[in-house]
Amino acid sequence: EDQVTQSPEALRLQEGESSSLNCSYTVSGLRGLFWYRQDPGKGPEFLFTLYSAGEEKEKERLKATLTKKESFLHITAPKPEDSATYLCAVRGGATNKLIFGTGTLLAVQP
Amino acid sequence: GAGVSQSPSNKVTEKGKDVELRCDPISGHTALYWYRQRLGQGLEFLIYFQGNSAPDKSGLPSDRFSAERTGESVSTLTIQRTQQEDSAVYLCASRTGGSYEQYFGPGTRLTVT
Repeated sequence: EDQVTQSPEALRLQEGESSSLNCSYTVSGLRGLFWYRQDPGKGPEFLFTLYSAGEEKEKERLKATLTKKESFLHITAPKPEDSATYLCAVRGGATNKLIFGTGTLLAVQP
Repeated sequence: GAGVSQSPSNKVTEKGKDVELRCDPISGHTALYWYRQRLGQGLEFLIYFQGNSAPDKSGLPSDRFSAERTGESVSTLTIQRTQQEDSAVYLCASRTGGSYEQYFGPGTRLTVT
């Protein structure tokens, strides 16, 4: 059964303190790993798609990387406005569905 | 351009009543999804529409839940005889036919009293 596990559940950082969020997955034939950001009371906002091990993508202070078993979302010198829940999802095999993890709640304090 | 829109943004209903939630996808997006997000939990897939193909209803939790979509436009999710455990945020997402990046609406927060 396809499964996504995110860690930690919650992370508190000081402004400028870099860190990484983890997304471990079990899927039959990865067809894409997706990162989303969700602010309170809003729908998830698409960030990145990764397709193969070794692939990396960057956007501002965020960089997503992918191995055969996990993905990391690296946050460099975070700012308070980066505070949000970060969701990871995978698409496997011939399915059209995404399987989501439960997310990491990130709080960046000034 | 306009994103995915959902209405109402909030809905409070009494146990046992029926509710209808609406989703307007991004124009030109052929695929549409409904998800349920309970407090503190991940997104739970409910149903998927792609063009004129038969919908994938494998995530619907019971026969009280149903959804329709007219062509490649508006979709409605109907919950009959609502129960307290139906309280959640219901999210709609759409995507183009050539990509699996889903774009989400703001959600409808349903509270069953």
